[in-house]
Amino acid sequence: SQQGEEDPQALSIQEGENATMNCSYKTSINNLQWYRQNSGRGLVHLILIRSNEREKHSGRLRVTLDTSKKSSSLLITASRAADTASYFCATLSGGSNYKLTFGKGTLLTVNP
Amino acid sequence: NAGVTQTPKFRVLKTGQSMTLLCAQDMNHEYMYWYRQDPGMGLRLIHYSVGEGTTAKGEVPDGYNVSRLKKQNFLLGLESAAPSQTSVYFCASSDGWTGADGYTFGSGTRLTVV
Repeated sequence: SQQGEEDPQALSIQEGENATMNCSYKTSINNLQWYRQNSGRGLVHLILIRSNEREKHSGRLRVTLDTSKKSSSLLITASRAADTASYFCATLSGGSNYKLTFGKGTLLTVNP
Repeated sequence: NAGVTQTPKFRVLKTGQSMTLLCAQDMNHEYMYWYRQDPGMGLRLIHYSVGEGTTAKGEVPDGYNVSRLKKQNFLLGLESAAPSQTSVYFCASSDGWTGADGYTFGSGTRLTVV
């Protein structure tokens, strides 16, 4: 069953604007990861945040994690047309659970 | 630096036919995974392997078998294809169970069962 659920399902913005996507999950996690998928391609790892971290940055990406609310957000600043893609959050639970569980994704369209 | 390579990229099968999807990684990763991606469903884990010679069931294993005879290869088999197995299949690998560096994905195999 899906662990992460992204919101919104689709987002359309203008180039230069910021894009925010949210992810909610159900059970305790070891870490949460965000991936990007361009149309017809495989997924590319963007950023990972551990359960004991609250915020992480990588270039134009900012990820926050609120374990009390079981939610995360991905902020892309100064968006570009090349950022147009689907974005997925994925959670990895602790214990013997070796596998990532993906949400259904947010389709981001950045208009030139 | 190929990363994860999947073959074939496209395939059309008739119901009842069998086939094997090959995944090869050159990063010496211990962990390998097979996912399927369907519209509106995100990615769902079919089978995974935590090392050479080991395999385990994921979320949707029925109708599929896997083998990991060599560390670098992870094979996904469909013994008797069904239209419900029409999907895009992705292989991934990681260097540890925490996936600290993220999973590396192949470019996918688009399978149509008619």
